[in-house]
Amino acid sequence: SQTIHQWPATLVQPVGSPLSLECTVEGTSNPNLYWYRQAAGRGLQLLFYSVGIGQISSEVPQNLSASRPQDRQFILSSKKLLLSDSGFYLCAWTFRRRDAGELFFGEGSRLTVL
Amino acid sequence: QKEVEQNSGPLSVPEGAIASLNCTYSDRGSQSFFWYRQYSGKSPELIMFIYSNGDKEDGRFTAQLNKASQYVSLLIRDSQPSDSATYLCAVNIPNSSYKLIFGSGTRLLVRP
Repeated sequence: SQTIHQWPATLVQPVGSPLSLECTVEGTSNPNLYWYRQAAGRGLQLLFYSVGIGQISSEVPQNLSASRPQDRQFILSSKKLLLSDSGFYLCAWTFRRRDAGELFFGEGSRLTVL
Repeated sequence: QKEVEQNSGPLSVPEGAIASLNCTYSDRGSQSFFWYRQYSGKSPELIMFIYSNGDKEDGRFTAQLNKASQYVSLLIRDSQPSDSATYLCAVNIPNSSYKLIFGSGTRLLVRP
C-alpha cells in the first residue's frame, strides 16, 4: 500500500529565517506531487505541483520554492520567511493517470512565523 | 475568478439525523467534483467523488450533482458524532489535469 510522510509536523520560525519542509511517498512510482497551504478558516491553496523529477509548476507568486530531486521526494523551501507564510502546509500525491482530485494528503506541517 | 462556495457553518444536527452539506461552483466547464473530510488539526481525506449528474451513494454518504444549477451536495445519513468535522468541496479546473479549487469548508457538528 502507498504511504506519504511529511515533516516536520510543527515549527515556529522567526521572520527572515529559511524554511525546508520535506515529503516522501512510498509504495508507488511516478506520482504527481503537490504542495498546498491552508490558512486558518480557509480553503486549500495550491502552491506547487510536479509531474516528474525536476518538473515544478508554481501556482502562486511568492517567496516559496519547491524541488523534486527524486521521484518520490518533494521539498518546499524558502530563503526568508514572511509573517504571511504562517499556515498549515500539506503535501499530497495522486496516481499519475488518475484525476487530480483524488488526492492523498500527508499529515501536514503547521508553520508559525513570528 | 473561479470560485467554490460553501456555507462555513457550523451545521448542527442531532445524532441519527441526515446532514446536508452544499456547495456551488462558478465554472460551468468543471467536470469533476470531490468531497473531503477534515478533522480538526488533521489533513483532509477524500470521502466521495462524482462526475455525472444525479446521485452517487457510498454507505451512509450520498453525493448529488446538478451541473445545470452548478450545485454539489453531500448527504450524510444516520449522522454520528464521529462525523463531526469540516467538509471541503473541491472542483476541477477545466482543461487542467492537475488543479483543483477548494471551498473553505462547512463545519459539521453532530450532537449526541
